Amino acid sequence: DSGVTQTPKHLITATGQRVTLRCSPRSGDLSVYWYQQSLDQGLQFLIQYYNGEERAKGNILERFSAQQFPDLHSELNLSSLELGDSALYFCASSELAGGPSEQFFGPGTRLTVL
Amino acid sequence: KNEVEQSPQNLTAQEGEFITINCSYSVGISALHWLQQHPGGGIVSLFMLSSGKKKHGRLIATINIQEKHSSLHITASHPRDSAVYICAVNARQLTFGSGTQLTVLP
Repeated sequence: DSGVTQTPKHLITATGQRVTLRCSPRSGDLSVYWYQQSLDQGLQFLIQYYNGEERAKGNILERFSAQQFPDLHSELNLSSLELGDSALYFCASSELAGGPSEQFFGPGTRLTVL
Repeated sequence: KNEVEQSPQNLTAQEGEFITINCSYSVGISALHWLQQHPGGGIVSLFMLSSGKKKHGRLIATINIQEKHSSLHITASHPRDSAVYICAVNARQLTFGSGTQLTVLP
């Protein structure tokens, strides 16, 4: 158990809908990262937050947004969903804002868009 | 060309064999990570390396910064080692290889 929690574990929805994925980092970790793992693209970095502020942005679509709240939990919002958004979404947490640090991964949310 | 290349893509071994998975990268990095993804999907961080060699139990990871290459070795492999092993590099952000599917047969 990494100490990172993600809810829900599975999510099935329809095209055009909007969903919210939630992540709680390990106790004491201030950074939260979001990743998408799809069959054709593999694991890709989406976005990082550190202590409530956006720190780095990767291959995140404009239809997707995220935020980190004062209690450090984070939410990833996916809107106008398309079939291609079906994937595993992981969050990870670490102590540091930048530089190399070990990341601890949550169990993931499996999103299926029908 | 991908920034992170892993080989082989698939590997089947007999229990007890010595296993090597390779990772080459083409960008400047501050560290390299080896991750293990279980069949259920969960990801565990095995190593973070910026130089030299690290060992944890039967797992050994090495990195050669000049050659931009890292290897993950598993000694005395066991069926429970069956998983996908993923190399990731800290460049501007964490960039992942496509993974190596390892199957260890009893």
